[in-house]
Amino acid sequence: ENVLTQSPGTLSLSPGERATLSCRASQSVNTYVAWYQHKPGQAHRLLIYGASSRATGIPDRFSGSGSGTDFTLTISRLEPEDFAVYYCHQYVGSSWTFGQGTKVEIK
Amino acid sequence: QLQLQESGPGLVKPSETLSLTCTVAGGSIGVPKFFWGWIRQPPGKGPEWVGSMSNSGTTYYNPSLKNRVTLFLDTSKNQFSLKVNSVTAADTAVYYCIQYLIPPSSVSWGLGTLVTVSS
Repeated sequence: ENVLTQSPGTLSLSPGERATLSCRASQSVNTYVAWYQHKPGQAHRLLIYGASSRATGIPDRFSGSGSGTDFTLTISRLEPEDFAVYYCHQYVGSSWTFGQGTKVEIK
Repeated sequence: QLQLQESGPGLVKPSETLSLTCTVAGGSIGVPKFFWGWIRQPPGKGPEWVGSMSNSGTTYYNPSLKNRVTLFLDTSKNQFSLKVNSVTAADTAVYYCIQYLIPPSSVSWGLGTLVTVSS
């Protein structure tokens, strides 16, 4: 199983600051990585797929990068609505795994 | 707009079968390009992929669950179903149904339903 490890577990930041979230895979996944945002009581929202492609309707303050085993989700300037839990997801072949999540909270 | 709604018993006894249904609104489950799947999230842990199914009936299962999981598409009811047999406390989780494309440029999630395995 390809284990995804996200860091940090919690990120405490203020609105307007830059958020950098990491996801490391135990085996190479090329660029088959997606990122999701999840808020309580809401459906998960796809942000990024293919490591760096923004999904439809996602603001350009969200960007993804990386390939192989190391990936990053960057939120350039945090808006109040961006405080949430973020998950990375690898989809190599037909067997998927997810990271355990990074919570971005208001400092 | 597509909406996915999971439903089923919130409490299942150990060794019994967990059965959940995902009702699709605002879209047809019969559209060939889409895939359908289940993700679960145990308390305090990250999401875990359970299995997926193409519209043509091809299924893909998490190897750790493969022998206990069955997926079914009911186009007449516009529903997607999951069965997990011989459940244990380790199957306690919030279960989500999803619709996605390959590659996943579009992934829609339901809100999830909590299933607790307990006697």
